[in-house]
Amino acid sequence: SQQGEEDPQALSIQEGENATMNCSYKTSINNLQWYRQNSGRGLVHLILIRSNEREKHSGRLRVTLDTSKKSSSLLITASRAADTASYFCATDARDYKLSFGAGTTVTVRA
Amino acid sequence: DAGVIQSPRHEVTEMGQEVTLRCKPISGHNSLFWYRQTMMRGLELLIYFNNNVPIDDSGMPEDRFSAKMPNASFSTLKIQPSEPRDSAVYFCASSSGEEQFFGPGTRLTVL
Repeated sequence: SQQGEEDPQALSIQEGENATMNCSYKTSINNLQWYRQNSGRGLVHLILIRSNEREKHSGRLRVTLDTSKKSSSLLITASRAADTASYFCATDARDYKLSFGAGTTVTVRA
Repeated sequence: DAGVIQSPRHEVTEMGQEVTLRCKPISGHNSLFWYRQTMMRGLELLIYFNNNVPIDDSGMPEDRFSAKMPNASFSTLKIQPSEPRDSAVYFCASSSGEEQFFGPGTRLTVL
């Protein structure tokens, strides 16, 4: 079953703009991860944030986690055409078993 | 490292036929996962192996589905008999910690 739910379902932005997507989940977690999936490909791990962390950065990515609200956000700054993909949050409650959300489809227009 | 390898990449079969999907995890990874992705249900975990032992198969839809991991470098997912509703992309992923590494997937079409 899907624990994470992403919002919005789809996002279209101009190259150079920032893209923000959110994830809400239901149960306690050990960590929350974000993955990217390009069309017709497998998922690629982007970033992991632990339950005791509030913010994490990796290159143009910024992730926040609010465990009191059971929510996370992923910010992609200065977007590029290559960022066009679907983005999934995944929660790890125990034993490295991940529950994935439905994903946000991001389209970056040139 | 070549990453997670899956075969075949595409499979088209007729209802009632047996289908076998194959996965070679990344060397040294001790966990292996089989997922199914569809538009309607998203990405679902089917089964999870740790050190070649099935730990959680609660996601396997029904008895028509079976998975094996005879050794650390090979796993199979079998559907017998296949049905049109089994049409999906099936992913294998492996890990040695919290991050999972996904294969390219097998797109299965059951006519």
